Amino acid sequence: KNEVEQSPQNLTAQEGEFITINCSYSVGISALHWLQQHPGGGIVSLFMLSSGKKKHGRLIATINIQEKHSSLHITASHPRDSAVYICAVRSNSGGSNYKLTFGKGTLLTVNP
Amino acid sequence: GAVVSQHPSRVICKSGTSVKIECRSLDFQATTMFWYRQFPKKSLMLMATSNEGSKATYEQGVEKDKFLINHASLTLSTLTVTSAHPEDSSFYICSAQTRDRGWNEQFFGPGTRLTVL
Repeated sequence: KNEVEQSPQNLTAQEGEFITINCSYSVGISALHWLQQHPGGGIVSLFMLSSGKKKHGRLIATINIQEKHSSLHITASHPRDSAVYICAVRSNSGGSNYKLTFGKGTLLTVNP
Repeated sequence: GAVVSQHPSRVICKSGTSVKIECRSLDFQATTMFWYRQFPKKSLMLMATSNEGSKATYEQGVEKDKFLINHASLTLSTLTVTSAHPEDSSFYICSAQTRDRGWNEQFFGPGTRLTVL
């Protein structure tokens, strides 16, 4: 079992729909990242969070440390949101160089 | 947010040549830089971790003599793929870690697509 599991693997939505991508992890973490990668493109860091909830524009990320679960929500989805969304966790095993463990990503396609 | 750049964004080279990829933190000092490799439709694979002024720490299975990493300053790390072969063709991404805000955030570069003919 991977340390970081994302669901769904693939998601197709119509423009305007509310999107939820889930991430579950099995290790103790100090932080969780949500990343966005467009086809053939680089990675953009959307959020880094260790507790609670963060919001940026139409994107909302939440995390429940006790349940080892995080969600990324996109409100009023748009075709330009089509990308791979990756969850990555940083373990709290100590040390100052924190390695990230990545989920396999969720491919989101938003149709007009 | 902090900006990390990579150069070049794309490179095509002949088999047997060496290719250098630069990773720069533009507006912050990076205590640590990470180099990742990504195969098509796969997630990122950590290759090595580099700290300024010291030798890089390579992940298991990554050949340090093939993938040379130099972290000469707090804003620049380079990855050199030596004697490149077609199987080295991949997307290489760096990230940089900073304590500038009292917190170890990690920021990603835009990636470099290497094609070895």
